[in-house]
Amino acid sequence: EVQLVESGGGLVQPGHSLGVSCAAAGFTFGHHALSWFRQAPGKGLEWVGFIRSKAYGGTTEYAASVKGRFTISRDDSTSIAYLQMNSLKTEDTAIYYCSRARGGTTTFFFDHWGQGTPVTVSS
Amino acid sequence: DIVLTQSPDSLAVSLGERAILNCKSSQSVLYSSSNKNYLAWYQQKPGRPPKLLIYWASTRESGVPDRFSGSGSGTDFTLTISSLQAEDVAVYYCQQYYTTPLTFGGGTKVEIK
Repeated sequence: EVQLVESGGGLVQPGHSLGVSCAAAGFTFGHHALSWFRQAPGKGLEWVGFIRSKAYGGTTEYAASVKGRFTISRDDSTSIAYLQMNSLKTEDTAIYYCSRARGGTTTFFFDHWGQGTPVTVSS
Repeated sequence: DIVLTQSPDSLAVSLGERAILNCKSSQSVLYSSSNKNYLAWYQQKPGRPPKLLIYWASTRESGVPDRFSGSGSGTDFTLTISSLQAEDVAVYYCQQYYTTPLTFGGGTKVEIK
């Protein structure tokens, strides 16, 4: 059974940093791209960014709203993906989900999602 | 960026009746070389993560009931729930993966009439 479990969310002050992680199980982690999404309270889904598998260079892409502030990485040896968030803003407050990608090499749809971890940016 | 516009914003349907949800893209998501539409549909129930229902615009994900079907091509897409069940109450999102940034529609909330 595919499992994705996010952790590390919490309350952080504006301008500060926070790292969240996504532990995966039940599939060959290194074969899949992984993505992060977020959902602000009462709002819709927003793509944050993804990291491709090492077979496709392990390259990353980000939404404009987080580019230069957020960094996605992966450790295939431990099946964990990371989202490092710097220079946080109040508008980054959301539930952050990680998900497993399928579909292609350059872009993807997402067939398994974690339960999410809440991040609140407030003074 | 590709903008996806979903309609209606909300929809109330009687149990057993058909629900039709629409998703219109600001540009075509049909990749001509593969003849595939890079569009997916997700279901999200309150307090839960999204669940993949449909990909390539019309391919049902494994385990998804066959009352869910996707159709359309290019810029206009439809998710149909042929016979609404109580457990289908949720918000439904379309997502394009034709290009980055990946984008979602604003969602359609489905309720029981």
